[in-house]
Amino acid sequence: DTAVSQTPKYLVTQMGNDKSIKCEQNLGHDTMYWYKQDSKKFLKIMFSYNNKELIINETVPNRFSPKSPDKAHLNLHINSLELGDSAVYFCASSQDWDQQETQYFGPGTRLLVL
Amino acid sequence: KQEVTQIPAALSVPEGENLVLNCSFTDSAIYNLQWFRQDPGKGLTSLLLIQSSQREQTSGRLNASLDKSSGRSTLYIAASQPGDSATYLCAVKPGGSYIPTFGRGTSLIVHP
Repeated sequence: DTAVSQTPKYLVTQMGNDKSIKCEQNLGHDTMYWYKQDSKKFLKIMFSYNNKELIINETVPNRFSPKSPDKAHLNLHINSLELGDSAVYFCASSQDWDQQETQYFGPGTRLLVL
Repeated sequence: KQEVTQIPAALSVPEGENLVLNCSFTDSAIYNLQWFRQDPGKGLTSLLLIQSSQREQTSGRLNASLDKSSGRSTLYIAASQPGDSATYLCAVKPGGSYIPTFGRGTSLIVHP
């Protein structure tokens, strides 16, 4: 009964490819997030969706496009992958926008771009 | 621009010791500060949240303090156990923004 799940767990791909990471939460939450943790362990928020509406887009390149087909899913599509995209990507969710401090994180997707 | 620094970067201690992890931030105009735990291969788990008007929060063997004026927070772990081994991150949310700034974490190993 994983609360926030991500697929795949590991992703190794060549530069220039397009890939997607999927996230699903079964908590009935309204708000979902994508974070990036780089090789230096810095964790930064990328996007936040509230009720399928984009709330935060934190200076992320246009190659990254989040898509929320419904409140339980927030997928991340990345076009033309670059070496610098190698990182761990975390999905998270919270009850609603007012409960941002209580976020539940997924296990992460480790992306390696060769 | 807010910067968050955590010291030490890594810590290895024997079981039973009391520990202090430090977090400092450059802009004292914060909304709240949160401590997280990250286990290898897993996401973050929230431990303690301190609002800007609060001085400390406690949960079990954990105690977090906040001194906004000096830009510091400490996480105190009492009677450490091997199960406490993880990376501990602090995150600062500035006033008027939804964007938190995370530190790089302190990697803690508690050996039996």
